Amino acid sequence: EPEVTQTPSHQVTQMGQEVILRCVPISNHLYFYWYRQILGQKVEFLVSFYNNEISEKSEIFDDQFSVERPDGSNFTLKIRSTKLEDSAMYFCASRQGAIINQPQHFGDGTRLSIL
Amino acid sequence: QKEVEQNSGPLSVPEGAIASLNCTYSDRGSQSFFWYRQYSGKSPELIMSIYSNGDKEDGRFTAQLNKASQYVSLLIRDSQPSDSATYLCAVNLMNRDDKIIFGKGTRLHILP
Repeated sequence: EPEVTQTPSHQVTQMGQEVILRCVPISNHLYFYWYRQILGQKVEFLVSFYNNEISEKSEIFDDQFSVERPDGSNFTLKIRSTKLEDSAMYFCASRQGAIINQPQHFGDGTRLSIL
Repeated sequence: QKEVEQNSGPLSVPEGAIASLNCTYSDRGSQSFFWYRQYSGKSPELIMSIYSNGDKEDGRFTAQLNKASQYVSLLIRDSQPSDSATYLCAVNLMNRDDKIIFGKGTRLHILP
């Protein structure tokens, strides 16, 4: 079964440094998402992306965050100047979109640890 | 503020019994409802989706939706130790608002 793949599985970064999290959505999917989950808390929406632009973003997704689809397969999340509170699991998700109500499928996540 | 509420648990159920997980949501415009299973340190895994009032069955799982009461539930029959996980209820509006709103999840523990 096709999967959403994320790399790296674990990223350790010094506070203030830039980090890029990578995702390869399922190949025929059109809608892409990033979520995060701080340890012990609920999964929170960050941003949705369709047709090469942001569809919606949450209050968490401030100017330090950006997303990009640099080629036909990758979907990246960049955090420009990381803060301690950015430490979390980051999940990429995608859905096909041709049929309304299709669910989102999640990758295995990247654990981001800010030191 | 759109909210999805779940009892955090833990809910302990003997092996072989029925586990019943409940969820309420605040936004009456919600149109799609999902149950995800999340093992510790892992990503959410889709278990069931439901869009219409009533019951939807898939194997040992049954999702129930009551839009008038803004209530979604998941029943797991013949519970197995491998069902021990956190179950996340999630909803979205499916209009312009495409994001999923997750509840905090209910920890389920199946007792062997």
